[in-house]
Amino acid sequence: GAGVSQTPSNKVTEKGKYVELRCDPISGHTALYWYRQSLGQGPEFLIYFQGTGAADDSGLPNDRFFAVRPEGSVSTLKIQRTERGDSAVYLCASSMGTSGSPGELFFGEGSRLTVL
Amino acid sequence: GNSVTQMEGPVTLSEEAFLTINCTYTATGYPSLFWYVQYPGEGLQLLLKATKADDKGSNKGFEATYRKETTSFHLEKGSVQVSDSAVYFCALILNAGGTSYGKLTFGQGTILTVHP
Repeated sequence: GAGVSQTPSNKVTEKGKYVELRCDPISGHTALYWYRQSLGQGPEFLIYFQGTGAADDSGLPNDRFFAVRPEGSVSTLKIQRTERGDSAVYLCASSMGTSGSPGELFFGEGSRLTVL
Repeated sequence: GNSVTQMEGPVTLSEEAFLTINCTYTATGYPSLFWYVQYPGEGLQLLLKATKADDKGSNKGFEATYRKETTSFHLEKGSVQVSDSAVYFCALILNAGGTSYGKLTFGQGTILTVHP
């Protein structure tokens, strides 16, 4: 597609439930990133994929969070046993990776997660 | 660790007013600096960047100069328009090689509203 696409745009769930958030990057972008943006804060890095592998997952807050990118394109962020503190906007971004300009990411509009 | 601090918002201006949004950073090395903008209903997008001391990034009438001596990267525009109303984020990348290529550290964001 023309830009980074994220689905769903909004997700409301109950505490303890499992959630999946999907990201479809710009065609041809090898690098994919997940960030989390809490209310009134800037985005915080979660995980970075180069191709199919997670090159850096140092930002994942705990083992309830997991992300995959099995074919090197679409990625899914998975959150188990959701907690109210997980409520945030989850942003996906893609880039040309090391073939592009450092720091120049293309962001989707985000998936807003609300845990009741 | 690395951090970015932006001036407290929100900022409200009249059209054609002069804009400054302050940004200072703390980094353990020599970062590249960025301003990202988020217009209503859209994803974050890169506004401008600077990769070394005394570099000036510019785009759409906005400018920011990388000041190593004051660890600052203030955003300025001489005459704002209503269409500039958005949230502005200052960010940095440290050691832009390898896995750090897209691992941005963001400030908390500054909401700008421009009235006609």
